[in-house]
Amino acid sequence: DTAVSQTPKYLVTQMGNDKSIKCEQNLGHDTMYWYKQDSKKFLKIMFSYNNKELIINETVPNRFSPKSPDKAHLNLHINSLELGDSAVYFCASSQVGGYAEAFFGQGTRLTVV
Amino acid sequence: AQTVTQSQPEMSVQEAETVTLSCTYDTSESDYYLFWYKQPPSRQMILVIRQEAYKQQNATENRFSVNFQKAAKSFSLKISDSQLGDAAMYFCAYRSGATSGSRLTFGEGTQLTVNP
Repeated sequence: DTAVSQTPKYLVTQMGNDKSIKCEQNLGHDTMYWYKQDSKKFLKIMFSYNNKELIINETVPNRFSPKSPDKAHLNLHINSLELGDSAVYFCASSQVGGYAEAFFGQGTRLTVV
Repeated sequence: AQTVTQSQPEMSVQEAETVTLSCTYDTSESDYYLFWYKQPPSRQMILVIRQEAYKQQNATENRFSVNFQKAAKSFSLKISDSQLGDAAMYFCAYRSGATSGSRLTFGEGTQLTVNP
């Protein structure tokens, strides 16, 4: 029973398309995140939600829009995809508190052609 | 803003030997937490070990231990009795203790190869 699951695992799409990545956690955590891992494996925060409320919004193009219908789900919608959006996107969740372990999904490899 | 630096892009170790991965960080905060995550080829991010900054005692998890030097802002990971399954990308990460739901700030990663 996967703790943090995201779908799809792989996504190949053309420039200009709109796509969504879904994430669900069954750990009862209040906080969920989206991270982006670029081609050099560097991981960077994009968004963080606490109890469906956006609390971190890094300098991300507004083509990226997170949506949290409830605290167990955090989806990422991307409009007008560009070649530079190709990356691995990770969803994660954790309890509140700095020591809390962040649990990651298996990542979605997005390739824009 | 906090930064995390891993100065070793690649490291290698012989099976059964010991290896140390380096990590330094920069912060003006006194309340924070440090983590090492492992990312094998499967891409899954796995927590290896974590440390609370206010604890002087170094964290240990089986073959994994850290050397936390708060004044030097250094947080290295020691892997003892290295196994083939330890081969992975290792990320050092920082989290502030000040903000609820705060982010993990990652270093650039160290690719560890374990030679049989």
